[in-house]
Amino acid sequence: AQTVTQSQPEMSVQEAETVTLSCTYDTSESDYYLFWYKQPPSRQMILVIRQEAYKQQNATENRFSVNFQKAAKSFSLKISDSQLGDAAMYFCAYSTGGATNKLIFGTGTLLAVQP
Amino acid sequence: DAGITQSPRHKVTETGTPVTLRCHQTENHRYMYWYRQDPGHGLRLIHYSYGVKDTDKGEVSDGYSVSRSKTEDFLLTLESATSSQTSVYFCAIGGRTNTGELFFGEGSRLTVL
Repeated sequence: AQTVTQSQPEMSVQEAETVTLSCTYDTSESDYYLFWYKQPPSRQMILVIRQEAYKQQNATENRFSVNFQKAAKSFSLKISDSQLGDAAMYFCAYSTGGATNKLIFGTGTLLAVQP
Repeated sequence: DAGITQSPRHKVTETGTPVTLRCHQTENHRYMYWYRQDPGHGLRLIHYSYGVKDTDKGEVSDGYSVSRSKTEDFLLTLESATSSQTSVYFCAIGGRTNTGELFFGEGSRLTVL
């Protein structure tokens, strides 16, 4: 069975600095998708970034980028120029895609941004 | 934004009472999902549906049932609520491009006393 592990329950970063959130996963599949979701205090689940496993190039979305290491089964999220609005719970998630699209989530990392 | 609404958004109930949470979508998406979120566990899949009257179990389905009589509505029922079912419940649908991501409703906080 696939699993997703986030080993950092909490992280803190200074405003304007860079922070990296870690995620590892376990799967025997060769084709899959990985995601980072952000959950601010409003509770809304917001998709931050997506990575297709068949793509070697790391995904980027503005200040958010990932370091995808397929052999190591590692998928970290880097947030550059951190802003107060980045404070949230961040979830790493895995999916085999296809018809059913069932996501498997990690336990989350709570990010605090210090002014 | 994906058109997903959940109701009620907040509910407090007592042990042993039945509870139904409703998820309504305007995206005409075939697949719908119910997850629960608990501290230290992330989000876990309860049930999902792949069409009208077609449903299947997820990771934590015990104590829950679902129904889908129309494409747009997916109901989650707790036949006899227990304190262990106190949680935040999220409904989700897939994206149009079928590239793995799900889009979530705002969540429903359920407290079972």
